[in-house]
Amino acid sequence: NAGVTQTPKFRVLKTGQSMTLLCAQDMNHEYMYWYRQDPGMGLRLIHYSVGEGTTAKGEVPDGYNVSRLKKQNFLLGLESAAPSQTSVYFCASSSLRTGRTSPLHFGNGTRLTVT
Amino acid sequence: AQKVTQAQTEISVVEKEDVTLDCVYETRDTTYYLFWYKQPPSGELVFLIRRNSFDEQNEISGRYSWNFQKSTSSFNFTITASQVVDSAVYFCALSEEAGANSKLTFGKGITLSVRP
Repeated sequence: NAGVTQTPKFRVLKTGQSMTLLCAQDMNHEYMYWYRQDPGMGLRLIHYSVGEGTTAKGEVPDGYNVSRLKKQNFLLGLESAAPSQTSVYFCASSSLRTGRTSPLHFGNGTRLTVT
Repeated sequence: AQKVTQAQTEISVVEKEDVTLDCVYETRDTTYYLFWYKQPPSGELVFLIRRNSFDEQNEISGRYSWNFQKSTSSFNFTITASQVVDSAVYFCALSEEAGANSKLTFGKGITLSVRP
């Protein structure tokens, strides 16, 4: 009963370093999303995917790239980390049934600090 | 563009008090979905409720109740007889599209503290 799993849970990067956050879901959901949460800002959508091999930009996509090579995985990459990318990152997934999307199922988050 | 406003940022109550969390939304669509999520101190996001724009019937689930009013574009959440375990950040969210590009716009969240 894993649901949505994010790895790693915590990470500290130096400015300019790169890293990839992995999101895996075992619910066969079509849609996957990456959000970032910052104090007083709520959650903001970075990128999302409506299916394997497709991705799209969300509200705050700059500085991030994503890939969805397999239906169950959605990767978020930071090519050159900046202190402004210090945040908590949440992955989520949802399914489409009879024209209605299910509520988002969230992972437990990745806390990233860029120094 | 869609927008969700949670004007209250922090609320503190004493256990057993009732508390209402306000949510006001903006959308141009006639079909949309409204959500409430809870984020306890442990950090995970817990789905509480989803409402579609065609269903204005209020809902009650135990101590939780939701009041959806299209006339005022509000979807307020009331906790009756609050408990310490209700302490969390609560997010209201809006989704304009039911189909392929459905994605949530979140409010900034309300931090609820329930004191014993």
